[in-house]
Parts: sequence; structure tokens; C-alpha cells
Amino acid sequence: KQEVTQIPAALSVPEGENLVLNCSFTDSAIYNLQWFRQDPGKGLTSLLLIQSSQREQTSGRLNASLDKSSGRSTLYIAASQPGDSATYLCAAYNQGAQKLVFGQGTRLTINP
Amino acid sequence: NAGVMQNPRHLVRRRGQEARLRCSPMKGHSHVYWYRQLPEEGLKFMVYLQKENIIDESGMPKERFSAEFPKEGPSILRIQQVVRGDSAAYFCASSPFRSEQPQHFGDGTRLSIL
Repeated sequence: KQEVTQIPAALSVPEGENLVLNCSFTDSAIYNLQWFRQDPGKGLTSLLLIQSSQREQTSGRLNASLDKSSGRSTLYIAASQPGDSATYLCAAYNQGAQKLVFGQGTRLTINP
Repeated sequence: NAGVMQNPRHLVRRRGQEARLRCSPMKGHSHVYWYRQLPEEGLKFMVYLQKENIIDESGMPKERFSAEFPKEGPSILRIQQVVRGDSAAYFCASSPFRSEQPQHFGDGTRLSIL
């Protein structure tokens, strides 16, 4: 059974810093791993999706990596901005399971 | 190109009433997934449906909860005799194919039980 854990649960950093959010999963037979952003009271916005055959994906200031052997993914945010403040969720998708298994999220606050 | 549409956005019910949550998938998508997000928690899978079929309901509570995705119209998540613990955000996602595509999420329905 796939389990996904995100550490830390909350993170507060000053504007401009580079930061890393961590995601670990127990079943390495994932099909893909997805990072989402969730603003308070809102839905989910997909940020990056990494297929199991890939090592990383980049979009603007965001870079996500995937290491299946160690069961880890990281989301790197460069030059953080107050607008990056949100909860970040990672979700693992196992082929055959046809459902996403989410971590509890990291609540990120960027202080001006 | 409307995304996944959920309504209502907010729903308030008293204990013992019924709640009906609706989800219209993206155009061309025939696969629908429901997830529940309890306060301060991540999303938990509830049920996966294709048109007129329930494929996986392993995350659905055994009692009071049901889901359908009829041939015509939106998918419905129905909660009978609601209790305080049902208060949560309920999200719907859709995809065009089985398993291969990422899931696109709606903005959710926030259910509050008085």
C-alpha cells in the first residue's frame, strides 16, 4: 500500500531564499509523481508531473526531482516570493491503482 | 475549454440531512475521481467511476456514502444522514483515459455540517 509523507508540515522563510520541499513514498513502483499547489479555500493547481522514467522536471522557478530507488521527490523553489505562499502537496500515482495518494502537504509562508 | 466544474462551492447541512455534490468533468473526459480533504490533512481517495460504472470504491465509507456517474449528466456524490465528521472539502478530478493521464481537479465543494 502506497504511503506518502511530506516534511516539514510547515515552513516559513524570508523572501528571496531558495528552498526545498520534501516528499517520500513507500512503494517505488510509481507511474508518476505530481506536485500541486493549494491556496486557502481553493482547489488544486498542478505544478509539475514527473514520469517514472524521468529524473526531474522544471517550470520557471520550480524544479522537481524524482529518485525512485530512495523513494524521494523534492520540489525546489528558487528566489521565493510572497506569492509562493500556499500549501504544496505531492501525490504518487501507481499504475493499476488508478488513484493519487497524497501527502499531508507543506504549508509554505514567504515573508516579505 | 472549461475545467472540472463542481457545485455547489459551499454547502451547509444540518445533522441528519442529505448532501448532494455534483461534478461535471472536463469535456471529453469519461473518468471521474472523488477525493475528500479533512481539515489540516491531505486529500484521500474515495471513489473512481467511469460512465455508468463504479471502478474502485475502496476509499468510500461503507455506510451513508454513494456515488454515481450516469450516462448523461454530472457525477453525484451523495451523503445521507450527514454527521459533523462529514465536514470537509470534497474534490472531483477527471481524466480522459484510464490511468495514463494526469488528473485535473475542480475547485471543490466545502461541506459544513451544523
